[in-house]
Amino acid sequence: SAVISQKPSRDICQRGTSLTIQCQVDSQVTMMFWYRQQPGQSLTLIATANQGSEATYESGFVIDKFPISRPNLTFSTLTVSNMSPEDSSIYLCSVERTRAWGETQYFGPGTRLLVL
Amino acid sequence: ILNVEQSPQSLHVQEGDSTNFTCSFPSSNFYALHWYRWETAKSPEALFVMTLNGDEKKKGRISATLNTKEGYSYLYIKGSQPEDSATYLCAPSSGNTPLVFGKGTRLSVIA
Repeated sequence: SAVISQKPSRDICQRGTSLTIQCQVDSQVTMMFWYRQQPGQSLTLIATANQGSEATYESGFVIDKFPISRPNLTFSTLTVSNMSPEDSSIYLCSVERTRAWGETQYFGPGTRLLVL
Repeated sequence: ILNVEQSPQSLHVQEGDSTNFTCSFPSSNFYALHWYRWETAKSPEALFVMTLNGDEKKKGRISATLNTKEGYSYLYIKGSQPEDSATYLCAPSSGNTPLVFGKGTRLSVIA
């Protein structure tokens, strides 16, 4: 498994501001993923972050809105920029692990964001 | 793999009742089906990974079955307890990450 921590665990922010979420893993991983879950929606992938390269964003998500850093193999940050109430979500980071059945993923505890 | 559907969206059961819910997915390009349990304020926790048609997995009072030909999986909980209250997510995969999830089934067990 993997032990993943996130900071902050929750926050309430004003619209127009930015928030940076940190994700720390207890071991080195190649790929880290950022997801969000808006109220009533599925857990949706924002981007994949590999160390030493630009993050790969999913359709509907752009770097200017969700810049990601991946300075080393155990850490990543996701910034939610120029926030609006629609950004109110739970944001989770996740890492992959190879098992006998293939790849699987472990998740952090999430950051609960409310934008007013 | 897209078009993952989970039903029902939410479910309320009495303590001691047994319950089940469904994950439907396209059967093409299938490799594995992942089930997660996500309790409030905690990390989503992997329950099962299933790969073979007809596979059945069990963990305590929770079990799951898989039909890859028709593209569905059932999750069963026997004798539900309040601690089973959570959102149950499924994610079919082609063998690679990142996983694509359904909207989940939110289970509330009333004492």
